[in-house]
Amino acid sequence: KQEVTQIPAALSVPEGENLVLNCSFTDSAIYNLQWFRQDPGKGLTSLLLIQSSQREQTSGRLNASLDKSSGRSTLYIAASQPGDSATYLCAVTLGSRLIFGQGTELSVKP
Amino acid sequence: EAQVTQNPRYLITVTGKKLTVTCSQNMNHEYMSWYRQDPGLGLRQIYYSMNVEVTDKGDVPEGYKVSRKEKRNFPLILESPSPNQTSLYFCASSFNRDYSPLHFGNGTRLTVT
Repeated sequence: KQEVTQIPAALSVPEGENLVLNCSFTDSAIYNLQWFRQDPGKGLTSLLLIQSSQREQTSGRLNASLDKSSGRSTLYIAASQPGDSATYLCAVTLGSRLIFGQGTELSVKP
Repeated sequence: EAQVTQNPRYLITVTGKKLTVTCSQNMNHEYMSWYRQDPGLGLRQIYYSMNVEVTDKGDVPEGYKVSRKEKRNFPLILESPSPNQTSLYFCASSFNRDYSPLHFGNGTRLTVT
């Protein structure tokens, strides 16, 4: 059974720091992996989508990598800002299923 | 504005009273899906639809129904709601499930007493 795990569950950093969020999955036969951001009381916003054949995707200060063989993905956030405070979730598409991790709650302190 | 619209945002109901949560997207997306989000359990897929008239069960379909008669609409139906269906529900859509990012609605918070 596919499991998706995100570590740490919560992270607090000072503004300006570079940081890495981790996502691991047990079944490497995924179609893709997505990173989302969820603000309190809101829906999820897609940040980056990595196809199974790709190694990384970049958007602005965000960079996501994918290593299927080891079942890992990382989301790198450069020069963090208070506006980056949110919960970050990863999700994998496996067959007909979309499976989410539990998320990492990020707090960036001014 | 491109968006996924869910209604209502908040709903309080009683056990056994049928209800429908609507979901509509204006992006001509083929793929639509429903999720519930619960503390400690995260987001779990209820149903999904690859295209019009095509629907399939997700991980937690018991107690729910869906229909996809038009491309833009994907309502979630609870025929006889129970308290264990109290949750935060999200609808999402994309052009293609395998290659396109998902766009989410703002959620519907359902309480069943």
